[in-house]
Amino acid sequence: AQSVTQPDIHITVSEGASLELRCNYSYGATPYLFWYVQSPGQGLQLLLKYFSGDTLVQGIKGFEAEFKRSQSSFNLRKPSVHWSDAAEYFCAVGAGYNQGGKLIFGQGTELSVKP
Amino acid sequence: SQTIHQWPATLVQPVGSPLSLECTVEGTSNPNLYWYRQAAGRGLQLLFYSVGIGQISSEVPQNLSASRPQDRQFILSSKKLLLSDSGFYLCAWSVSDTQYFGPGTRLTVL
Repeated sequence: AQSVTQPDIHITVSEGASLELRCNYSYGATPYLFWYVQSPGQGLQLLLKYFSGDTLVQGIKGFEAEFKRSQSSFNLRKPSVHWSDAAEYFCAVGAGYNQGGKLIFGQGTELSVKP
Repeated sequence: SQTIHQWPATLVQPVGSPLSLECTVEGTSNPNLYWYRQAAGRGLQLLFYSVGIGQISSEVPQNLSASRPQDRQFILSSKKLLLSDSGFYLCAWSVSDTQYFGPGTRLTVL
């Protein structure tokens, strides 16, 4: 069965520092992969997605993610974090063909940004 | 462009009362629709999804039900709320395998 693991429940980085959020997935075929961000009390916003092609994906707000099939990973990166990036980040994998477009979500990583 | 609406934004209900949360999508046709719940400090739990009018799939047996009376309308209901139904309820729509989320409804059951 498909699954997503985000090993880090909470990460704190200093403003201006680089960021990497980890995501590992379990899926038998080529996965559809997503990163979402959620600010407190709000819905989820799509940051980026990977379906096929170039394994380095650019998203909104200066984020990027790299698909590494050999490591079953889809880590999210940002070269310089801003205070407004403090939020919860969710990685997700598509549940597969004929599954109604369902997504399997990780448990999330909460990002705090120090001034 | 597509937009998704959820109402109400906030709701406080007594235990045993009924519930109706509504979600509507604009600017797209025949979307897949989803209801999720987030309990405090926890991840997303998929409750229901729908691939068409009147077609509902339940992911988790519970005190809730869902209906899709129109193509772009998805309703989450309960006849009698439990304390454990408290949480943040999110509706989402998708076309071509990408989901887009609404602003959510904060439900507190007292």
